Amino acid sequence: DAGVIQSPRHEVTEMGQEVTLRCKPISGHDYLFWYRQTMMRGLELLIYFNNNVPIDDSGMPEDRFSAKMPNASFSTLKIQPSEPRDSAVYFCASSGGGDGNQPQHFGDGTRLSIL
Amino acid sequence: TQLLEQSPQFLSIQEGENLTVYCNSSSVFSSLQWYRQEPGEGPVLLVTVVTGGEVKKLKRLTFQFGDARKDSSLHITAAQPGDTGLYLCAGEYSGGGADGLTFGKGTHLIIQP
Repeated sequence: DAGVIQSPRHEVTEMGQEVTLRCKPISGHDYLFWYRQTMMRGLELLIYFNNNVPIDDSGMPEDRFSAKMPNASFSTLKIQPSEPRDSAVYFCASSGGGDGNQPQHFGDGTRLSIL
Repeated sequence: TQLLEQSPQFLSIQEGENLTVYCNSSSVFSSLQWYRQEPGEGPVLLVTVVTGGEVKKLKRLTFQFGDARKDSSLHITAAQPGDTGLYLCAGEYSGGGADGLTFGKGTHLIIQP
């Protein structure tokens, strides 16, 4: 079975540019999470969706970040304009249930470098 | 903001040795998960513990949930180079619902042959 698929795997761009990260969750999973991982702060939850609806976006750092889930099989995380401090690995994860016993299945991440 | 403290942050030991890493919080978890992450990949779930005092074993890995459900430990017996990775604990504080897990910063483990 295909796991969570993220693209691109690597992105290098100059500050000020728009960056779009993409995620395809596991089919049938109705929860989708976006995380950011850095050495300093570890893995931080940015936003999560349930049945394509954003439930909690309190982790989104500022208005430059936005996320959408137009359908059950696709989500995007957009940064506009990008800044060097946005450099990190961004992970998408999905899960099949609404309680903490359900495992979250992570993609392999997008390594983002803003120059 | 609930915090999950993991210790040690870094650990490098020889193959065959035993080790324990810890995950602590001042708040009570309704459940706690342990993940392992290898370079260039996302975290992969190892185990979920739910009941205070619960012990789960996964081959050479033993996971324990504290009686008060505020802490957890992971013990590895006879560590192997393949155990190298970042070990993350993640807790759910709410009474239910996928509110998103709070992750610790992890323990970077290196097992030297």
